[in-house]
Parts: sequence; C-alpha cells; structure tokens
Amino acid sequence: AQSVTQLGSHVSVSEGALVLLRCNYSSSVPPYLFWYVQYPNQGLQLLLKYTSAATLVKGINGFEAEFKKSETSFHLTKPSAHMSDAAEYFCAVTTDQTGANNLFFGTGTRLTVIP
Amino acid sequence: ETGVTQTPRHLVMGMTNKKSLKCEQHLGHNAMYWYKQSAKKPLELMFVYSLEERVENNSVPSRFSPECPNSSHLFLHLHTLQPEDSALYLCASSQDHNTDTQYFGPGTRLTVL
Repeated sequence: AQSVTQLGSHVSVSEGALVLLRCNYSSSVPPYLFWYVQYPNQGLQLLLKYTSAATLVKGINGFEAEFKKSETSFHLTKPSAHMSDAAEYFCAVTTDQTGANNLFFGTGTRLTVIP
Repeated sequence: ETGVTQTPRHLVMGMTNKKSLKCEQHLGHNAMYWYKQSAKKPLELMFVYSLEERVENNSVPSRFSPECPNSSHLFLHLHTLQPEDSALYLCASSQDHNTDTQYFGPGTRLTVL
C-alpha cells in the first residue's frame, strides 16, 4: 500500500525566508506525487505534481518540489515566503496500480508566515 | 461557474434528518470523488465514480449514500448521521479515474448535532 508522512504539523517562517515542507512517501511501485494547498474555508488547490518525468517539479506561486527516490522524499520548497502563503499544505501519493485513482494524503502541514 | 462547485457550503443537521450534498463539475471530466476531511486526520476517500458507475467504495457506512446521475453531478445523501460524521466533505473530479490530477471543490462543512 502507499502512504505519505508529513513531518511537522506546524511550520512557522518569517516573511522572505525559505519555506521547506517535508514529505516522505512509501510505495513499492513508481509513485505519482502531489502537493495541494488549502486556504481557510476553501477546497484543495493543486500546487504541483510529479509523474516520473523531471525530478524537479515547478508549480504555481513559486513553489517547487524535488523527487528523490533514494530518500523516498518529495519536499516542497519556496525561496522566499509571502504572507499569502499561509495555509495548510498536503502531500499525496498514488500509483497506476492503485485502484480508481485512490490518492493517499498526509495529515497536512500548517504554514504560518510571520511578518 | 467554473471548476468544481459544491452546495451547500455549510450544513447543520440533527441525527434524524435527511439531507443531501451536491457537487457539480464544469470541467468535462469523467470521474468524480467524495472525500471526508476531519480534524487531525488525513483526507479519507469515500466514493469514486467513473462515467456514472461507482468504481470504489471504501467501507463507508450505509448512512452515506452516493448518487451520480451524470458525469457532471454527484450527490451525497445523508440520513441518521452521528456527531462523529461532522467534517468537511470535499468533492473532486478528474479526467479519468486513473492517475489524472484531481480538482477539488470548496467543500461542505457539515455539523451533526
């Protein structure tokens, strides 16, 4: 079965500082990995996804993530945090052997940006 | 309307009530999903429909009953719910039910008294 673990349920950074949100996955077959963001009182919005092409994936709002098979990681980064980045971030995994596109989500990381 | 819409956005109901959640996607997708999002827990996939046929049902209690009359609409019928069913219910859609990206609606915040 597939799963993801997000280290740190809460992360605080200063405005302008590097954002690093950690995600480790478990999968016995090649994974498809996603990062979603959820702003208060809203649904999930796709930030980026990895589908076995380039290992460095660029997403919206200046975010990117790097797939590292040796470390089973897919950490999300942004060079400079903005106040508008404050939200909850979810990592998710699926595979083409997972029935019916069953996305397995992590428990989320709440990002706070300090002015 | 664009994307995935859900109504109502908020719902409060008693344990003996019957209500329905509605989801509509305007993306021309073939697959639709219901998820439950509870505090401190990962999102839980409840149901998956592809071309109006249910393809996955993850051991969801029978007090939740999905309906997919066409590829653009998905309903979740609720009856005799429990307080622990209070959560954010998210609808999503994707082009097909393989590894295609899922696009989410804003959710319905359900409170069961």
